[in-house]
Amino acid sequence: EAGVAQSPRYKIIEKRQSVAFWCNPISGHATLYWYQQILGQGPKLLIQFQNNGVVDDSQLPKDRFSAERLKGVDSTLKIQPAKLEDSAVYLCASSLMQISNEQFFGPGTRLTVL
Amino acid sequence: DAKTTQPTSMDCAEGRAANLPCNHSTISGNEYVYWYRQIHSQGPQYIIHGLKNNETNEMASLIITEDRKSSTLILPHATLRDTAVYYCIVRTEANQAGTALIFGKGTTLSVSS
Repeated sequence: EAGVAQSPRYKIIEKRQSVAFWCNPISGHATLYWYQQILGQGPKLLIQFQNNGVVDDSQLPKDRFSAERLKGVDSTLKIQPAKLEDSAVYLCASSLMQISNEQFFGPGTRLTVL
Repeated sequence: DAKTTQPTSMDCAEGRAANLPCNHSTISGNEYVYWYRQIHSQGPQYIIHGLKNNETNEMASLIITEDRKSSTLILPHATLRDTAVYYCIVRTEANQAGTALIFGKGTTLSVSS
């Protein structure tokens, strides 16, 4: 079974530029999460989707971050414009159901904002 | 979700058991204890979870105290590949929105030969 795929693995941009990350969850997984992990800290939820609907985006900085999951499968996370403090690893995870014992994480995208 | 307290770091010799403690003194009756680990440059990986009873799977054992205020993750025979950050998380499994994991800083386990 293929795992959660993310791309790109690394991205370096200047502040005020835009960037987008892509995630393809495990086939059949209805729930998709985006987490932000700043160096030295645990991951923090940004947004959770159930199929193509948003379940929780309370911690998403909506003035600059957006995410979509149009067909209920893959998802994109965008930052526009980026700030220095957005430098982090962005992790995508999926689970079979909303209430699920196990979340499967992708390898993450490491973003550096200069 | 309740908060957890874990030591910042621990060391373990290869082949020995690694016992990772976690305090969750404010845990509620419907909250489960989950353990994930994160190997360097990878995403977190599920290890095990439990409610009241001790649990064991192919990766580890989870021992939860009778009052449920603390737990211990046991890796019976640690290997170098077990070097990682280990996160203890408490989480409800009720039918509610927002079932994401709330991570702390975890315990960095270093296994050496």
